[in-house]
Amino acid sequence: SQQGEEDPQALSIQEGENATMNCSYKTSINNLQWYRQNSGRGLVHLILIRSNEREKHSGRLRVTLDTSKKSSSLLITASRAADTASYFCATLNTGGFKTIFGAGTRLFVKA
Amino acid sequence: GAVVSQHPSWVICKSGTSVKIECRSLDFQATTMFWYRQFPKQSLMLMATSNEGSKATYEQGVEKDKFLINHASLTLSTLTVTSAHPEDSSFYICSAKVGRSYNEQFFGPGTRLTVL
Repeated sequence: SQQGEEDPQALSIQEGENATMNCSYKTSINNLQWYRQNSGRGLVHLILIRSNEREKHSGRLRVTLDTSKKSSSLLITASRAADTASYFCATLNTGGFKTIFGAGTRLFVKA
Repeated sequence: GAVVSQHPSWVICKSGTSVKIECRSLDFQATTMFWYRQFPKQSLMLMATSNEGSKATYEQGVEKDKFLINHASLTLSTLTVTSAHPEDSSFYICSAKVGRSYNEQFFGPGTRLTVL
């Protein structure tokens, strides 16, 4: 499969709680990106972390990268109902030719 | 900056017809464009990579005669679904890359194709 794996596949939380999504991948990468997709819509780029970085923050988002375990996590703090969406990780291989998406996590934030 | 548009945003067609989807980089020149398809509640699957002026590189299992890709300029790539069938109904998303290979990709809003 060209995809990495993400877990959980679906996550349901209450507004105000934190949401953590994990992503594992298979090949050596140059960078890893997280995207959000609302139902039936295009992708929104959230954050990019390079292979030599271990952690990155952007507003309520915190991304970690562990290249030794080939895994990444996305933490959304103080979640809001508007955060309800599917979240995908995507990796750019070291050749830099193409970006491959993980299976995605569907997040439901209940008001 | 770095806006990618797709046209049309949705299309409904009869089985057996061909459908062309355009992907444009509006404010930058894209050396490489990518086409993805996405089935409901699934992830994006890379179909092909196209570089301006050269033939597209298709992923394994993607029929090049079925999904014709033309990248005639640095700002336009087209995907033509030939002789469309209901199983081709999907969400098609393009993306464009600027300059060096390690740079970020910018995604279009997607095109919803429904084949009756």
